[in-house]
Amino acid sequence: EAGVTQFPSHSVIEKGQTVTLRCDPISGHDNLYWYRRVMGKEIKFLLHFVKESKQDESGMPNNRFLAERTGGTYSTLKVQPAELEDSGVYFCASSQAARGTQYFGPGTRLLVL
Amino acid sequence: QKEVEQNSGPLSVPEGAIASLNCTYSDRGSQSFFWYRQYSGKSPELIMFIYSNGDKEDGRFTAQLNKASQYVSLLIRDSQPSDSATYLCAVSSNDYKLSFGAGTTVTVRA
Repeated sequence: EAGVTQFPSHSVIEKGQTVTLRCDPISGHDNLYWYRRVMGKEIKFLLHFVKESKQDESGMPNNRFLAERTGGTYSTLKVQPAELEDSGVYFCASSQAARGTQYFGPGTRLLVL
Repeated sequence: QKEVEQNSGPLSVPEGAIASLNCTYSDRGSQSFFWYRQYSGKSPELIMFIYSNGDKEDGRFTAQLNKASQYVSLLIRDSQPSDSATYLCAVSSNDYKLSFGAGTTVTVRA
């Protein structure tokens, strides 16, 4: 069974540009989560999807971040326009049930210059 | 005050010794507690979860939870070089949103 996959693995962009991160959860997992770890800080929750619906987006830092999960399969996280403080590692996780084990992807390392 | 705090590392232990990792949390309503292991550049991998006070053992790993003290720990017995990694404590009060500590890096010396 394939694990959670994320694309790209690394992204280097300039301030003001747009970046879109993609996450493919484990097949059959209705619950999908985005987390972020900025340099020197803890991994922080961003949002939670159940199928295509946003259940909790309380961790989204501001309106420059937009997450979607059309069709309830893969998800995208768009940052527009990117700022320097957006640099970090963006993790996606999925679980079969809301209380189930969250399986993490390898992360996307974003560097905004 | 941070939601989840872990003992600062790095922690260096000789092969075969016990590595002891500690974690405290601030939300008294927390219900679920997890330990993730993360190798450098890799994804966090769940190694233990615990919901009730007391000890839970799985192979060489033992998780201990004391809700009254808001404390959870992880013991790694017979530490092996392959246990060298960063260990993340995560806590949840609503069954899905994980709050992580900063992690403790463990190095097992051969």
